[in-house]
Amino acid sequence: GNSVTQMEGPVTLSEEAFLTINCTYTATGYPSLFWYVQYPGEGLQLLLKATKADDKGSNKGFEATYRKETTSFHLEKGSVQVSDSAVYFCALVQGAQKLVFGQGTRLTINP
Amino acid sequence: GAGVSQSPSNKVTEKGKDVELRCDPISGHTALYWYRQSLGQGLEFLIYFQGNSAPDKSGLPSDRFSAERTGGSVSTLTIQRTQQEDSAVYLCASSLAGGSRTYEQYFGPGTRLTVT
Repeated sequence: GNSVTQMEGPVTLSEEAFLTINCTYTATGYPSLFWYVQYPGEGLQLLLKATKADDKGSNKGFEATYRKETTSFHLEKGSVQVSDSAVYFCALVQGAQKLVFGQGTRLTINP
Repeated sequence: GAGVSQSPSNKVTEKGKDVELRCDPISGHTALYWYRQSLGQGLEFLIYFQGNSAPDKSGLPSDRFSAERTGGSVSTLTIQRTQQEDSAVYLCASSLAGGSRTYEQYFGPGTRLTVT
């Protein structure tokens, strides 16, 4: 079945540091890939998405590129802020089916 | 416009009691999903509705769990004879029609269920 493996957390960085959270997936066919974010005390929000190979999703300074050859969708940001502290989930879906999530990575940014 | 809403936001119940959790999807969204978020298991899929039908119930953990959707809108997740391991945040999401195309799922704020 489909699965998502995400970088273990928690991750702690200083403000303005470079961020990478690794995500790899296993799927038959060509899934769509997502990064969701959960800020403290809030619900899940879509951060960015990519629906086909080589697509780059971007939002709020975050980027991720759909790499079919390495089955990866790593999340990156060049300069993180304290307000980026949250839990980040990588996920995939095929068609109208269920989202399959990674285990989540808790990110803390210190001023 | 209004997002996905869920009620109650918090529910504390005694072991063995039944509970009902409600989800109001975004108007016009024909697909509705229930997920569960718990410390030990992360985010797990429970059930998917397309209209009032549930083509995928594969994530329901036991026959104590059931869900229905009426009028292609509101959905209720019912847990009978609750157990402590049912304690979790139950999330509802909705999206536009499915088929082979993938649409973004929008999540509600969740219902935090605590079984004592």
